[in-house]
Amino acid sequence: TQLLEQSPQFLSIQEGENLTVYCNSSSVFSSLQWYRQEPGEGPVLLVTVVTGGEVKKLKRLTFQFGDARKDSSLHITAAQPGDTGLYLCAGEPGSNYKLTFGKGTLLTVNP
Amino acid sequence: DAGVTQSPTHLIKTRGQQVTLRCSPISGHKSVSWYQQVLGQGPQFIFQYYEKEERGRGNFPDRFSARQFPNYSSELNVNALLLGDSALYLCASSLVRTVNEQFFGPGTRLTVL
Repeated sequence: TQLLEQSPQFLSIQEGENLTVYCNSSSVFSSLQWYRQEPGEGPVLLVTVVTGGEVKKLKRLTFQFGDARKDSSLHITAAQPGDTGLYLCAGEPGSNYKLTFGKGTLLTVNP
Repeated sequence: DAGVTQSPTHLIKTRGQQVTLRCSPISGHKSVSWYQQVLGQGPQFIFQYYEKEERGRGNFPDRFSARQFPNYSSELNVNALLLGDSALYLCASSLVRTVNEQFFGPGTRLTVL
């Protein structure tokens, strides 16, 4: 079973601070995705990375896929209260059309 | 365009009962996947259906079953409910048989008493 370990599990910061959350595995993934989920709602796709070493930017969010395609990070610059939510990474091991999710990082940005 | 819709939004059942959850994918999407999300955990893959056929199954008992209809909507059935089946059940749709561009619905919150 391919596992995705996310860290930290909880993160509480002040508005304007920067943060990084991590997603690590001992397995190789053909693609990796980041989602944000708010209470009572389904996850919303933020980005998909497919190439080792790939870096994608989405406004204040920067996503990186490790060279070996086993890990990823999400960096948020100047966090805002609207960034509050559960950040989930998910990977597709091989091409078997099954997504494996991490447990998530619960981010709280205080005004 | 409407996103993925799921019904009902909330459901309360007792142990041993059976439940059916429904999902309508985004118009034009032919693939539907089902996930179970227990409180404090990430979603766990249950099934993927593409073109009305089961294409993938996660590590769930045979009490869980699903089907996809000609209009690509889908139902998830769970028999002989256990307390541990209490969770948020999520449906995700994608245009083709891929998990790279999945769009999730709001989920059905199932509580088993």
